[in-house]
Amino acid sequence: EAGVAQSPRYKIIEKRQSVAFWCNPISGHATLYWYQQILGQGPKLLIQFQNNGVVDDSQLPKDRFSAERLKGVDSTLKIQPAKLEDSAVYLCASSLRGLSNEQFFGPGTRLTVL
Amino acid sequence: DQQVKQNSPSLSVQEGRISILNCDYTNSMFDYFLWYKKYPAEGPTFLISISSIKDKNEDGRFTVFLNKSAKHLSLHIVPSQPGDSAVYFCAASVPGFQKLVFGTGTRLLVSP
Repeated sequence: EAGVAQSPRYKIIEKRQSVAFWCNPISGHATLYWYQQILGQGPKLLIQFQNNGVVDDSQLPKDRFSAERLKGVDSTLKIQPAKLEDSAVYLCASSLRGLSNEQFFGPGTRLTVL
Repeated sequence: DQQVKQNSPSLSVQEGRISILNCDYTNSMFDYFLWYKKYPAEGPTFLISISSIKDKNEDGRFTVFLNKSAKHLSLHIVPSQPGDSAVYFCAASVPGFQKLVFGTGTRLLVSP
């Protein structure tokens, strides 16, 4: 079974630029999560999708971050414009039934904002 | 507001000995606790979990203990192996929301 795929793996941009990350969850997984992991901290949930609907986006900075999951499969997370404090690893996870103990994580995208 | 805390950023243990990783939480409403293991350049992988109605769960070399009155859980690895060297995250589940709140992680180094 293929795991959660993410691209790119690394991205370096300058502040005020835009960036987008892509995630392909495990086939058949209805629930998809985006996490932000800042160096020295644990992952923090940004947004959770159930199929193509948003379940929780309470911690998503909506003035600059946006996410979509068209057709309930792939998802993209966008930052526009980026700030220095957005430097982090962005992790995508998916779950078959939306249970917290069944989240499978992708390798993440490391973003550096200069 | 750090609801899940791992106060030890690192731990060094010799191969064959026991590793004990600790985690404290503040929200008594958490219903599930999980441990994830993370290698460099990889995403976290699920290791073991425990329901809030239990006090112990064992899976091979890994045992998680939960002390609800102290709002404390621990992960025991016996015997420790060099391949166990990784960052370990404690996480707690928010009931009804199915989302995880993570601690800051503990880096475990198991030396031969």
